Parts: sequence; structure tokens; C-alpha cells
Amino acid sequence: EAGVTQFPSHSVIEKGQTVTLRCDPISGHDNLYWYRRVMGKEIKFLLHFVKESKQDESGMPNNRFLAERTGGTYSTLKVQPAELEDSGVYFCASSLAADSSTDTQYFGPGTRLTVL
Amino acid sequence: DAKTTQPNSMESNEEEPVHLPCNHSTISGTDYIHWYRQLPSQGPEYVIHGLTSNVNNRMASLAIAEDRKSSTLILHRATLRDAAVYYCILRVGGSNYKLTFGKGTLLTVNP
Repeated sequence: EAGVTQFPSHSVIEKGQTVTLRCDPISGHDNLYWYRRVMGKEIKFLLHFVKESKQDESGMPNNRFLAERTGGTYSTLKVQPAELEDSGVYFCASSLAADSSTDTQYFGPGTRLTVL
Repeated sequence: DAKTTQPNSMESNEEEPVHLPCNHSTISGTDYIHWYRQLPSQGPEYVIHGLTSNVNNRMASLAIAEDRKSSTLILHRATLRDAAVYYCILRVGGSNYKLTFGKGTLLTVNP
């Protein structure tokens, strides 16, 4: 069974440009999460999808970030325009049943974003 | 956010047991204790979780204090592949839960 995949693995862009990150969750997982670690900080939650709906987007830093999950399968996270402080590693995770006490999140390898 | 406290780093020798402590004095009755680890250049990986009773799985054991204010992740025989940052996380909330990562414990395993 394929795990969570993320594309690209690395992205280097200039300040002001747009970048779109993609996450493919484990097949059948309705829950999809985005997290990020910026330089020197801890991994922070960004948002949570249940199927195509945003369940919790309290961690999104500002309106330059737009997450979508059309059709409830893969998700994209767009940063427009990118700023220097957006540099970091963006992780995607998915889970099967968030309402179950045994639910666990499976993480992808992350996308390393560098904004110059 | 529910807080956990872990040592910044620990060191172990290969083939020896490792006990990774975590304090969570503000835990509430419905909070689950989750452990994840992050190997170099990878995303976090689930290790184990529990509520009140001690738990065992193929990766590790989780010992939970009777008052639930602390727990210990036990790796029975550390291998070089176990070198990672280990995160103790309180799962707060029902179906709308998110993982709150702290700094974790960097485990070094010596050959």
C-alpha cells in the first residue's frame, strides 16, 4: 500500500512568486492534514480536511495560503505571493477515522520550500 | 494547547533498552498520549499511543503513570535505525483533533 506522497520534494522560488504543493493521501483516508516546520521552530498544524471540506483551518498563517481538496482526494497548498518567512518543510498527513480513539496520522516525507 | 515536557536529548548504546520520559501534568481525562518519531529527512512516524493502561506494540512499549501526569516510551533494544527525534503529544479533542508537536527528544544511538 502506497503511503502519503508529496510533490515536489524540494522547491526553490523567489520572493513574490507562487508555489503549489501537492499531497496525495493514503487511498481511502478521508482526513488530510497540512503541517509545516519553519526554520528553527517546531512542527505546526496548518489545517485539516475531512473529504473536501475544511474542518479546521485555524493554523493557516495568513491569506497568502490557500489549501484545496477538490473531490476529496489529493490536496494542494498554494502560497501566493511567497515571502522569505514561508521557507521551511511542509508536511502532509492523512488518517482514516479521526473520530476513532485509535486513529493515527500517517505523514508524507515533506516538501522543502526555500524562498530567496 | 496541551503541553508536554521532554528532555532535549538522550543517548543510548545499540542493543540496550531506552526509556524516554515525558511529563504532561495538565493532561485531562480524555486526552490520549501519542508518541511519534521523526527520522532524519523524513516525516513524523507514529510509534504508539495510550490512555490509561500500559501499551505494547511491535515498535515499543508505553508506560503511563497512575496519575497520568507522565509517561515513558520504552524501546526494548535500541538499534541505529532508532536514532530520531521522539515527540510525546497529547491528543486533545474528538474528531477534530490536531497534533501539537513540541521540541521532542533527540535520541542518539551509539554503535
